[in-house]
Amino acid sequence: GALVYQYPRRTICKSGTSMRMECQAVGFQATSVAWYRQSPQKTFELIALSTVNSAIKYEQNFTQEKFPISHPNLSFSSMTVLNAYLEDRGLYLCGAREGARSDYTFGSGTRLLVI
Amino acid sequence: GEQVEQLPSILRVQEGSSASINCSYEDSASNYFPWYKQEPGENPKLIIDIRSNMERKQIQELIVLLDKKAKRFSLHITDTQPGDSAMYFCAASLSGSFNKLTFGAGTRLAVCP
Repeated sequence: GALVYQYPRRTICKSGTSMRMECQAVGFQATSVAWYRQSPQKTFELIALSTVNSAIKYEQNFTQEKFPISHPNLSFSSMTVLNAYLEDRGLYLCGAREGARSDYTFGSGTRLLVI
Repeated sequence: GEQVEQLPSILRVQEGSSASINCSYEDSASNYFPWYKQEPGENPKLIIDIRSNMERKQIQELIVLLDKKAKRFSLHITDTQPGDSAMYFCAASLSGSFNKLTFGAGTRLAVCP
């Protein structure tokens, strides 16, 4: 079956530092990868959509300068949170899908705590 | 862009009764509506979905209804069990090569024994 491994599961970083999270798709080709953030007590906000061999599309309020994303092949994607501050804490999810299928397979999430 | 409203935010039911969660969307072009269940500390998992060519879909105790004219869809859990207690999120998207999921705010379901 389709699986997405996301790591690390949890991370703590000091305010102003950066952290990187990675997603690995297994059993399918991750043509598109979506990165979401779930802030405390909130729903999932889309940060950006990445399609292999296409430009990465960021949503309003999220920028490449703050959340650079790499999607170099059909099985891997990474995102970095640069200069993390308190408002960046939350659960970051990557979701990957293959081709024109509509359903995403989500990773286990990276929970970011900023101190 | 698409907006999805989800109600109620908190739902408490007795074990064995039914639970209903309602969502509405704005973009009439949306044609895919998944539902996710999120256990504490875990990632959301797809439990059931419905596409715009259907009005009703059932998987065991889960029933989803879609009213395209009213732009509403709903999840009904029949014969709820304590294991159904979790956060539930509805979402809407437009099929395509670059679609995205827009999530509702979530419903915290508590099934009381």
